[in-house]
Amino acid sequence: DAMVIQNPRYQVTQFGKPVTLSCSQTLNHNVMYWYQQKSSQAPKLLFHYYDKDFNNEADTPDNFQSRRPNTSFCFLDIRSPGLGDAAMYLCATSPRQGQETQYFGPGTRLLVL
Amino acid sequence: GENVEQHPSTLSVQEGDSAVIKCTYSDSASNYFPWYKQELGKGPQLIIDIRSNVGEKKDQRIAVTLNKTAKHFSLHITETQPEDSAVYFCAASRNSGNTPLVFGKGTRLSVIA
Repeated sequence: DAMVIQNPRYQVTQFGKPVTLSCSQTLNHNVMYWYQQKSSQAPKLLFHYYDKDFNNEADTPDNFQSRRPNTSFCFLDIRSPGLGDAAMYLCATSPRQGQETQYFGPGTRLLVL
Repeated sequence: GENVEQHPSTLSVQEGDSAVIKCTYSDSASNYFPWYKQELGKGPQLIIDIRSNVGEKKDQRIAVTLNKTAKHFSLHITETQPEDSAVYFCAASRNSGNTPLVFGKGTRLSVIA
């Protein structure tokens, strides 16, 4: 089945130790998104790629970076995780920008010790 | 930019009763309104969406209504079942370029058997 896959589902890292979360999709969608979701809150968009065009939200901290080496894969790098970065990280895809359905992966829950 | 308000934040209903969740939006140019259901520990899943050229859409026990003049849209779930218990998010976007989805803050629905 076509889908959005996130690995790992749970990630534990230490304060200040770089961590990478991965997302892959078999939907062949042009757009990939990374969201941060904290407990009892709505998903907050960090950035998105339209094909290879990277779009950073204005309030996304510099500590968060992303890479999209090809259509299928997208990575979220947190260079120096702080305790406040503990959250669920959601990857989503859509065929195009604008009023298009976004398909979410199951998320990676990040714990920072 | 767009701002989406969602009410109520929590909702408890008896099994078999109906549940209604309401959202308002601020950007009159928004024209796509999806609803997502998020179960504990999972990513949001699209359950229904509506575009601005229609006023109502139904899919079995779920319906969404849109009032563009008043800039509000609602989710209606009839004959609720315990498996409907989850957090529901509304969202809005406009069909232009880089404009992302803007989410409401979510409604935690509990269906009591």
